[in-house]
Amino acid sequence: KAGVTQTPRYLIKTRGQQVTLSCSPISGHRSVSWYQQTPGQGLQFLFEYFSETQRNKGNFPGRFSGRQFSNSRSEMNVSTLELGDSALYLCASSSNPGGQPSGNTIYFGEGSWLTVV
Amino acid sequence: DAKTTQPTSMDCAEGRAANLPCNHSTISGNEYVYWYRQIHSQGPQYIIHGLKNNETNEMASLIITEDRKSSTLILPHATLRDTAVYYCIVRGASGGSYIPTFGRGTSLIVHP
Repeated sequence: KAGVTQTPRYLIKTRGQQVTLSCSPISGHRSVSWYQQTPGQGLQFLFEYFSETQRNKGNFPGRFSGRQFSNSRSEMNVSTLELGDSALYLCASSSNPGGQPSGNTIYFGEGSWLTVV
Repeated sequence: DAKTTQPTSMDCAEGRAANLPCNHSTISGNEYVYWYRQIHSQGPQYIIHGLKNNETNEMASLIITEDRKSSTLILPHATLRDTAVYYCIVRGASGGSYIPTFGRGTSLIVHP
């Protein structure tokens, strides 16, 4: 069974541009969440989607947005890029956000490395 | 989510057991303990999780104290490839959506 797939793996953008990152969850998983990881702030939650609806949102500016499609695939977009947006962006999927008695394991993709110059 | 406390770094000799502690004194009854690890430049890898019983899988063992206020991840025979940052997190498993909060984790270095 394939894991969480993220594309592109690496990309370089210029300040002021916008970027779209893509995530394909594990087959059968309907919840997708996004995280930003930087050396200074560590792993920070961006937002979570389930059945095409945003369920939770972290403390990030409106330049960061996302969406989920009917096949559970998700995209996140960052507009008006700033140097500080350089980070590893991680996507994770789980069967559902609510969880079951045995727990609700989240599985991560390899991430997309974004460099803003 | 309950907060966790882990040592910043640890080291272990190859072939020996690596015991990574985690304190989660404010954990509530329906929160599970999860362990992930992250090797440089890769996404976090799920290792194991548990509620109150000790758990074992092909990667590691998880020992949770009876009061559930702390746990220990055990890598029985550490190899150089186990060098990574290990994260202990707690999150609920029922109702609504529980977002895991990742701390700084423990940087484990396995040396020859």
